[in-house]
Amino acid sequence: DIQMTQSPSTLSASVGDRITITCRASQSISGRLAWFQQKPGQAPKLLIYKASTLESGVPSRFSGSGSGTEFTLTISSLQPDDFATYYCQQYDSYSTFGQGTKVEIK
Amino acid sequence: EVQLVESGGDLVQPGRSLRLSCTTSGFTFGDYAMSWCRQAPGKGLEWLGFIRSKAYGVTTEYAASVKGRFTISRDDSKSIVYLQMNSLKTEDTAVYYCTRGEWLIDYWGQGTLVTVSS
Repeated sequence: DIQMTQSPSTLSASVGDRITITCRASQSISGRLAWFQQKPGQAPKLLIYKASTLESGVPSRFSGSGSGTEFTLTISSLQPDDFATYYCQQYDSYSTFGQGTKVEIK
Repeated sequence: EVQLVESGGDLVQPGRSLRLSCTTSGFTFGDYAMSWCRQAPGKGLEWLGFIRSKAYGVTTEYAASVKGRFTISRDDSKSIVYLQMNSLKTEDTAVYYCTRGEWLIDYWGQGTLVTVSS
C-alpha cells in the first residue's frame, strides 16, 4: 500500500500569509495526486488534481506542484475562507489520503 | 448542479448489516464510476471502493480494510449507488460519503453517519 504523509499536521497563519503544505508518498505516484479542502461539518472539496491542475472554480491563489514522491500545496495569500483542513490523496495505486493539515488562525 | 445525497445511516450492533443509498442528480449517472469514502469521528479520510460504469463492465475495487465485507452496487435506472456493509465492527463507525469517480474523486455528498455499538 502507498502511504501518504502530510506536514505539518497543524499550521498557524494569518490572513495574507503565503503557506505551503507538503505531502510525501512512500513510492512514486506518477503525478496522480489531488488536494482537498474540508471545513468543519462539510464534505471535502476538490481543489487540485494531477498534482498541479486547478479544479474549475477554485481561486488562483491555490496552486500545486511536485512530482515523484514529493508534492506541495501553496496558498499565495491566505483568505478568511481558507481556514480549513487540507488533505492530499494519491490515486496511482488504489487510493489513499494523507492524515490532513489543519490551517488555523494565528 | 451535481448532487449526491446519502441515506441509511443508523446505529447498529456489531456483527449486523446495513445498506446505505446515494441518490444522485445533475449528471449522467450511467457514464460515471461511483465510489464511497468514510471518515471516523475526528479522523482523516479513507477510500473504501468504487463501481465502474456499464461501459467498463460494472466492475468493482475495494480497499483491503473492507474487502469481503462491503459491496458496492448501482441502479442506473434510478441513478442510485449502494453500499452494503456486512459484519460491521465498532471501528466502522464513521460518516460515510458517496463520491463520484473511480480513483480520483471530484464530487462528494454530505455524508451519513453510521454508528456501530452495542
